[in-house]
Amino acid sequence: GAVVSQHPSRVICKSGTSVKIECRSLDFQATTMFWYRQFPKQSLMLMATSNEGSKATYEQGVEKDKFLINHASLTLSTLTVTSAHPEDSSFYICSARAGTGGWTDTQYFGPGTRLTVL
Amino acid sequence: QKEVEQNSGPLSVPEGAIASLNCTYSDRGSQSFFWYRQYSGKSPELIMFIYSNGDKEDGRFTAQLNKASQYVSLLIRDSQPSDSATYLCAVNMGGTASKLTFGTGTRLQVTL
Repeated sequence: GAVVSQHPSRVICKSGTSVKIECRSLDFQATTMFWYRQFPKQSLMLMATSNEGSKATYEQGVEKDKFLINHASLTLSTLTVTSAHPEDSSFYICSARAGTGGWTDTQYFGPGTRLTVL
Repeated sequence: QKEVEQNSGPLSVPEGAIASLNCTYSDRGSQSFFWYRQYSGKSPELIMFIYSNGDKEDGRFTAQLNKASQYVSLLIRDSQPSDSATYLCAVNMGGTASKLTFGTGTRLQVTL
């Protein structure tokens, strides 16, 4: 149980294009999903918290107009990197929270999407 | 001051030995603690979580929590080369969002 999928696993795009990444919880409902970014040899950096049916909450320094998040259902959240540039190249990982909303909830991670912007 | 601190390593242990990974956190109100394993180029994989002081065992893994001293550790018994990875300590410092604060991870190398 607690499987999270992510699509695509890898994407290469030209500078200026937009890229959409999907995150799905396959066997549980997730009212909350999280989007992280990880640069080489660095730890996970939380970008935003995605809540089903409401606006995402972005961490300080993350541009909400550049990283659009939509959490349309209890099993799907999407992250769109708009007008991507080479500095946006990174490993993007989503996680889905399993639980009822308390401090015992556990986050399960998707396999990640490696974005390369040329 | 970093909120969750881990020694970056690498921590090198011989096959069959016990690997001990440590993590300290700054928020005394933190309530739940998680250990994730991350292989190079892959996403984190949950190993185990702990909420209460003391030890919690799951197979070859034992998590230890001491809230008074604000540290949590992970012991890996009978270490195998396949255990070689980066181990991330994550702390839920409370709040309705259940956000996790991650340490920078400790790289473990299990040698033959």
